[in-house]
Amino acid sequence: DAGITQSPRHKVTETGTPVTLRCHQTENHRYMYWYRQDPGHGLRLIHYSYGVKDTDKGEVSDGYSVSRSKTEDFLLTLESATSSQTSVYFCAISEILAGGGGTQYFGPGTRLLVL
Amino acid sequence: AQKVTQAQTEISVVEKEDVTLDCVYETRDTTYYLFWYKQPPSGELVFLIRRNSFDEQNEISGRYSWNFQKSTSSFNFTITASQVVDSAVYFCALSEADAGNNRKLIWGLGTSLAVNP
Repeated sequence: DAGITQSPRHKVTETGTPVTLRCHQTENHRYMYWYRQDPGHGLRLIHYSYGVKDTDKGEVSDGYSVSRSKTEDFLLTLESATSSQTSVYFCAISEILAGGGGTQYFGPGTRLLVL
Repeated sequence: AQKVTQAQTEISVVEKEDVTLDCVYETRDTTYYLFWYKQPPSGELVFLIRRNSFDEQNEISGRYSWNFQKSTSSFNFTITASQVVDSAVYFCALSEADAGNNRKLIWGLGTSLAVNP
C-alpha cells in the first residue's frame, strides 16, 4: 500500500472558522490531489499539485486553497468553513509514467463536519 | 468533453451470482487510461486495475475480470461467484491530460453493489 496519511481523520468545526487538512506521503510521488466525496456527486477534484509550489484548481475549488512547500506534504485550507463544505475529503498521490496515466493511490480520508 | 457513465446506480445480487458493472466513457484523446476502484463500507478507496487505450486484452484476476472494448467505448467489470465481501461502491475513471499535460481523473458516479447471503 502507498504510504499516505491524512490528518485529522475526523473534525467538527463551526461555520466561519479556518480549517487545514494535511496529506503526507512517503512515496516521493510528484502529483498530489485533494478530492471531496458527497452522496450523489461521486469524487470531485478540488485542487491538485504537480510539484513543489506548483498547484492548480480542480472543478470545485471555490472556498479552498492549497499549499505544497515540500514534496511529501499537501495542505488543504478552508479559509472560512461553511456547512456546504461538510464532506469526506480524500488525498491522492500519483507517480509519473511515460505517456501519462499514473495510478492514483488514496489516503484514508478525513470526515469534516461544519456546524 | 470527457465523461464517464456508470448507468447502474445500485445492484443487488445473491451470493455466488455473477455480476457485471458497466462503464461507458467518452474521450477525444487517442491515448488514455481507464481505471476501476473499489470503496468498501469502511470507506477507503482501493485501486483495482488500470488499462491503457492501446491494450484491449481482457484482464482476469481471480474472480475479477475486465472487458475493454474501444469500439463501444466500454470498460466493464465482472465479478464471478460474488461474495458478501464484494459489497462496495465501484468507481470507473478515465485519465485526461489538461492544457499543461498534467493528468487528472474523470470519475463516474459509482455503482453500489450489495451481495446478499
